[in-house]
Amino acid sequence: EAQVTQNPRYLITVTGKKLTVTCSQNMNHEYMSWYRQDPGLGLRQIYYSMNVEVTDKGDVPEGYKVSRKEKRNFPLILESPSPNQTSLYFCASSGSESSYNEQFFGPGTRLTVL
Amino acid sequence: LAKTTQPISMDSYEGQEVNITCSHNNIATNDYITWYQQFPSQGPRFIIQGYKTKVTNEVASLFIPADRKSSTLSLPRVSLSDTAVYYCLVGISGGYNKLIFGAGTRLAVHP
Repeated sequence: EAQVTQNPRYLITVTGKKLTVTCSQNMNHEYMSWYRQDPGLGLRQIYYSMNVEVTDKGDVPEGYKVSRKEKRNFPLILESPSPNQTSLYFCASSGSESSYNEQFFGPGTRLTVL
Repeated sequence: LAKTTQPISMDSYEGQEVNITCSHNNIATNDYITWYQQFPSQGPRFIIQGYKTKVTNEVASLFIPADRKSSTLSLPRVSLSDTAVYYCLVGISGGYNKLIFGAGTRLAVHP
């Protein structure tokens, strides 16, 4: 089944404790991105990657890091999480061959930083 | 990127047709109109995309007038499972584009 998976789905952590949220897709997509969703603010892009070893900042990159060592994986790293990073995070992927604005989203990771 | 305006919420009943209108007065020549659906605790899901006139797929229809300053997503005979948030997005098309989500329209379908 074609899908985007994220782990963990839920995470409660404390300020300053480094964490990684994994994202993996099995559709051989070149493009992957991370969004955060907050009430009243919609979904905002954090980082995106056009292909392996190619990443760039989205609209709200502060406090986050990403890497793209393999085509299928695009982990989101919070080196020193803070409470304002409490949010619902989504990973998405799409293929360069697509002529549509169709991105496939993962199930989401609900992060709480205390 | 063109800004979009949608109703915050709508209510309907099972079996009815639902039309959600999106306003995008500043749409550019190269922009497409795309609609996503999001169920609670799930990621958004692509529904339909169009440039002008009418587009129909197995899920919905999209009506775009000649001036393209608005569009209407039509959901035929909704069921309870269509309760979700619907987002209208405007921008150039392609697999590599950043998606700009607004607040969306929260549709509640009642028995």
